[in-house]
Amino acid sequence: DIQMTQSPSSLSASVGDRVTITCRASQNINTYLNWYQQKPGKAPNLLIYAASYLQSGVPSRFSGSGSGTDFTLTISSLQPEDFAAYYCQQSYSTPPYTFGQGTKLEI
Amino acid sequence: QVQLQELGPGLVKPSGTLSLTCAVSGGSISSDSWWTWVRQSPGKGLEWIGELHHIGSPNNNPSLKSRVTISLDKPKNQFSLKLSSVTAADTAVYYCARVVAGRAAARIIYYFDSWGQGTLVTVSS
Repeated sequence: DIQMTQSPSSLSASVGDRVTITCRASQNINTYLNWYQQKPGKAPNLLIYAASYLQSGVPSRFSGSGSGTDFTLTISSLQPEDFAAYYCQQSYSTPPYTFGQGTKLEI
Repeated sequence: QVQLQELGPGLVKPSGTLSLTCAVSGGSISSDSWWTWVRQSPGKGLEWIGELHHIGSPNNNPSLKSRVTISLDKPKNQFSLKLSSVTAADTAVYYCARVVAGRAAARIIYYFDSWGQGTLVTVSS
């Protein structure tokens, strides 16, 4: 299985900050990488697919980059509703789909 | 827009079988999509369980070995999960979701675009 490792596991930030979350794959996954946001008590919500493509309806302050084994999710200017957990997921080699362990973004 | 809702008991006894159904509305289960289950143990990350397309064989997470059965009920437009021989380690929030194939440049990539709200299943006597 392909292992996905996110860093940091948790992050404290303030409204208006620029934030970057990193995801590393245990092997080359090209750009077969998706990002999800999960708020407490809610299901995950797709933000970005194929490493850099913004899902319809997602604010443009979210962006993704990377290829191969190293990827980043960037929030350009944090808003109050962005405080949540973020997960990366690979869809290069399935089954199984595998997720990162998550990054909790806190105030 | 497709909507999904998980249904099923919230408590299962150890060594029993966990059974959940996902009701799909706003779209057909016979469309060109995969239908999948994901779980999240309390305070933990996301674990993919398995998926099924209306054409073809299911794919399951090898970590769950042969305990998983996923099936479709086309007349009712729903799909189901059965997880046998459960233990406390199977206590989790279970989500159903739709997997779609998106196009990115010249590639096809699969991602989970619609999710149910999740249901907590506790394994306890």
